[in-house]
Amino acid sequence: DAKTTQPPSMDCAEGRAANLPCNHSTISGNEYVYWYRQIHSQGPQYIIHGLKNNETNEMASLIITEDRKSSTLILPHATLRDTAVYYCIVRVWIDNNDMRFGAGTRLTVKP
Amino acid sequence: EADIYQTPRYLVIGTGKKITLECSQTMGHDKMYWYQQDPGMELHLIHYSYGVNSTEKGDLSSESTVSRIRTEHFPLTLESARPSHTSQYLCASSKDTGNTIYFGEGSWLTVV
Repeated sequence: DAKTTQPPSMDCAEGRAANLPCNHSTISGNEYVYWYRQIHSQGPQYIIHGLKNNETNEMASLIITEDRKSSTLILPHATLRDTAVYYCIVRVWIDNNDMRFGAGTRLTVKP
Repeated sequence: EADIYQTPRYLVIGTGKKITLECSQTMGHDKMYWYQQDPGMELHLIHYSYGVNSTEKGDLSSESTVSRIRTEHFPLTLESARPSHTSQYLCASSKDTGNTIYFGEGSWLTVV
């Protein structure tokens, strides 16, 4: 799996957009970018994934740069309940190896 | 919403006792996983399974054992609990293809 780099922590004001960056400069052509989050004491939750096009769902948007070496997860209107650790993971679509979670970014949404 | 269930959610047990953490999923997923996570620390994979009768050890060495006799069930057992086993244990599953992993709510184990 390609290695990812995320800032250890970020703050965001409630109601504003939260933009969480992830660098994956060694990503290969068949690797997808996945985002999960873990709210305190709960199991991680899948958010979104993409290959090279930008993706949007009811939770978030994923913007992948044209060279695919970095991506940004956008929570358009952050709420206090979005406070969590966000993990960026890069993997091929069908991968018989386990999924490894790094340290992630601890996002704190403040009133 | 994911249909993956863990029991018990919280358990306090004495040293030397045998415990089994239960995990069941109703999604028909072939792959299942156990992760261990201490408070504020990273997730570490301790066991995974590709399907029935398949079990593999993960990155983090663990004294626990697992079994996969049925697709939907992936229990984790500690034969003799120790205080060092105190942690949160998270069960997860995924389809054979693709990488969306669904997690249970976790089991908090405290060994005194």
